[in-house]
Amino acid sequence: QKEVEQDPGPLSVPEGAIVSLNCTYSNSAFQYFMWYRQYSRKGPELLMYTYSSGNKEDGRFTAQVDKSSKYISLFIRDSQPSDSATYLCAMARAIAYKYIFGTGTRLKVLA
Amino acid sequence: GAVVSQHPSWVICKSGTSVKIECRSLDFQATTMFWYRQFPKQSLMLMATSNEGSKATYEQGVEKDKFLINHASLTLSTLTVTSAHPEDSSFYICSARGPTSGGGRTDTQYFGPGTRLTVL
Repeated sequence: QKEVEQDPGPLSVPEGAIVSLNCTYSNSAFQYFMWYRQYSRKGPELLMYTYSSGNKEDGRFTAQVDKSSKYISLFIRDSQPSDSATYLCAMARAIAYKYIFGTGTRLKVLA
Repeated sequence: GAVVSQHPSWVICKSGTSVKIECRSLDFQATTMFWYRQFPKQSLMLMATSNEGSKATYEQGVEKDKFLINHASLTLSTLTVTSAHPEDSSFYICSARGPTSGGGRTDTQYFGPGTRLTVL
């Protein structure tokens, strides 16, 4: 079993839809949870950063962490074609520890 | 803020040659940088962790003599692929540990734009 599981997609949604992206993990020691967006042939861009459980909102993006279920989510409201990219979740046990990445979910927002 | 650059953005070389890739943190100091490799439609695989002024720590299965890492300053780390072969063709991405927005004592990894290496 991989430490971090993420559905690779692709996930296609119409413009304006609410998108839900998810990752599950097996290591209860993870404390830091990140979401990155990666456009084709580019480096990942940090979207959200969460410590421990709870919700965090930034504009159209909301990150949720449920440590009891070992499940994290990223919600994108009012999705736009420019949101079409691969979304990677990443986790770490402590800030000085290496990140463990999910495989990424490819999202396509159709105009 | 928290910008990381990589140079070159793409490189094509002949088999057997060495290639150097630079990773720079432009607006912050990074005591720790990371080197990843990413194959098409796959996730990032950590190759090594680079700490300024000390030897890099390589992940299991990564040949330290083939992938030479130098972190000579707080803003620069280099990855040299020695005696490159076609199977080394990949997308190499660096990241640097820097401060998160909003202040506080936490930090996170900021990624460079990547370097596409093609070995003929």
